Amino acid sequence: GAGVSQSPRYKVAKRGQDVALRCDPISGHVSLFWYQQALGQGPEFLTYFQNEAQLDKSGLPSDRFFAERPEGSVSTLKIQRTQQEDSAVYLCASSPGTGYGYTFGSGTRLTVV
Amino acid sequence: TQLLEQSPQFLSIQEGENLTVYCNSSSVFSSLQWYRQEPGEGPVLLVTVVTGGEVKKLKRLTFQFGDARKDSSLHITAAQPGDTGLYLCAGADDYKLSFGAGTTVTVRA
Repeated sequence: GAGVSQSPRYKVAKRGQDVALRCDPISGHVSLFWYQQALGQGPEFLTYFQNEAQLDKSGLPSDRFFAERPEGSVSTLKIQRTQQEDSAVYLCASSPGTGYGYTFGSGTRLTVV
Repeated sequence: TQLLEQSPQFLSIQEGENLTVYCNSSSVFSSLQWYRQEPGEGPVLLVTVVTGGEVKKLKRLTFQFGDARKDSSLHITAAQPGDTGLYLCAGADDYKLSFGAGTTVTVRA
């Protein structure tokens, strides 16, 4: 597609439930990023992939968060045993490589109740 | 924790007025990017500034990067309602972006 596509757009999860968020980057984009945006804040870095390799996962808040990009295109962010503090918008972005601007998706708004 | 501080946090102006948004950091970044984000959407890249002292113009928007590459400003001339949105600055350190908390700009018709 022309842009970065994320699904679902909205997700309501009960506390303790596992969730999976999907990102389809722009075709051919080598770099893929996940960011978390809390209400009233700017996005915060979670993790970075170059092709299928996860080169930086330093921003993942806990070991309940896991991301993968097995074939170097689609990526999934999984959150296990969701907590209320996980409620946020999760943004995916892709770029042709280092030094290029990002193209963000519209995000997935996760609400944990 | 936001490494970049943006001011003001909120700005409401009348159509046709000018506005300036500031972005300050204690760190030096290799480049600085400005994004605009509308409700329910992801941020959209407006400009990337790389060189200290650099000035870039994009129609009615003027972006400046400080000489020390720690601060930046965004100036909008003759603002229009379509300029309404959340303006975010982001410092680039290799591949990673560090965002400010943003400035919410409302332009009243």
